[in-house]
Amino acid sequence: KAGVTQTPRYLIKTRGQQVTLSCSPISGHRSVSWYQQTPGQGLQFLFEYFSETQRNKGNFPGRFSGRQFSNSRSEMNVSTLELGDSALYLCASSYLLTGDEQYFGPGTRLTVT
Amino acid sequence: QKEVEQNSGPLSVPEGAIASLNCTYSDRGSQSFFWYRQYSGKSPELIMFIYSNGDKEDGRFTAQLNKASQYVSLLIRDSQPSDSATYLCAVNMREYGNKLVFGAGTILRVKS
Repeated sequence: KAGVTQTPRYLIKTRGQQVTLSCSPISGHRSVSWYQQTPGQGLQFLFEYFSETQRNKGNFPGRFSGRQFSNSRSEMNVSTLELGDSALYLCASSYLLTGDEQYFGPGTRLTVT
Repeated sequence: QKEVEQNSGPLSVPEGAIASLNCTYSDRGSQSFFWYRQYSGKSPELIMFIYSNGDKEDGRFTAQLNKASQYVSLLIRDSQPSDSATYLCAVNMREYGNKLVFGAGTILRVKS
């Protein structure tokens, strides 16, 4: 079974721009979660989607948004990029909504200059 | 108290020894517990999960859970240099809407 895939793998953007990241979960998985990982803050939860609905949200500003499509693929968008948004963005998929094992994709490394 | 606490390390053990990684959590209602391994520059890889009190063994890895003490640990037997990585403890926290909360991770170094 293919794992979680994320595109693009690397991205360089300028302050003020916006960016869209994509995630395809493991086949059959219906839950997709997004995380931000930085050296200073560790792994921080952004949001979780299940059956095209956002089920849970972390403590991030409204510039961070996401959505999930009917095939369970998910996208996250960051608008008006700030230098502090530079991070590794990770997507994880699971079969169930809560309490289930989550499997991570390779991540998208975003650098904001 | 942080929701999920781990000793940041680094924890250094000689090759062939047992590495013991510990994690405490704040939500007494938590039901699901996970250990991830993350190599530098890579994404976290799920290596163990445990839902019930007691021990769960998988190859060289043993996860131990004590819900009364709000404590979960990971033992790595016969440690190898390839086990050198950051180990992340993650807890599914009911009090936070069942989201998965990660500890900061423990750096493990296995010396040959």
